[in-house]
Amino acid sequence: QLQLQESGPGLVKPSETLSLTCTVSGGSISSSSYYWGWIRQPPGKGLEWIGSIYYSGSTYYNPSLKSRVTISVDTSKNQFSLKLSSVTAADTAVYYCARQVYGDYLLDVWGKGTTVTVSS
Amino acid sequence: QSALTQPASVSGSPGQSITISCTGTSSDVGSYNLVSWYQQHPGKAPKLMIYEVSKRPSGVSNRFSGSKSGNTASLTISGLQAEDEADYYCCSYAGSSTFLVFGGGTKLTVL
Repeated sequence: QLQLQESGPGLVKPSETLSLTCTVSGGSISSSSYYWGWIRQPPGKGLEWIGSIYYSGSTYYNPSLKSRVTISVDTSKNQFSLKLSSVTAADTAVYYCARQVYGDYLLDVWGKGTTVTVSS
Repeated sequence: QSALTQPASVSGSPGQSITISCTGTSSDVGSYNLVSWYQQHPGKAPKLMIYEVSKRPSGVSNRFSGSKSGNTASLTISGLQAEDEADYYCCSYAGSSTFLVFGGGTKLTVL
């Protein structure tokens, strides 16, 4: 069955760029039926949608993060990636990647999440 | 501050029913039947429980149901079981500018 796996550095310094990759297995990222999204959860807090990408490269970003976020897709590797620039301690969170159904906007398959800490 | 408003906590005894509300605006919950609900146990990834306001994915117990009235969506869990103790989040499509918004989450305690 479809699985998503986040990967990337667990520690990022303030003002630097956070970079994460989500590898999709058991299915194709090039399906026209899905977006692929990033969601984060600060310690002890709720979920925050960061942004989503379609296999064609079309992107949608959370307006509050848009100036710092870039999401890209590599269909040859069945991966999509997140870059968040100028990070601060407030960006410390568990970062999840998830499959998002096109048109329904539901997030039906999630990765296990990866913890990213912003600290010097 | 989350875009959608949920109660911080709810509780119920085994066998009882509880309802969690999710209040948005006419720009999100009120305009689209695209509300979903997620269950999250500690240290785990969220799990989809309800989509399109009231539809259940395959494998989700029929004890979970969803509804919507105006700008408020609701998740009802009937016949509470100990395993239902978790955090629950609502989520709504909010148009092409904002796209997706989550609620702040509700901690369900089974007494």
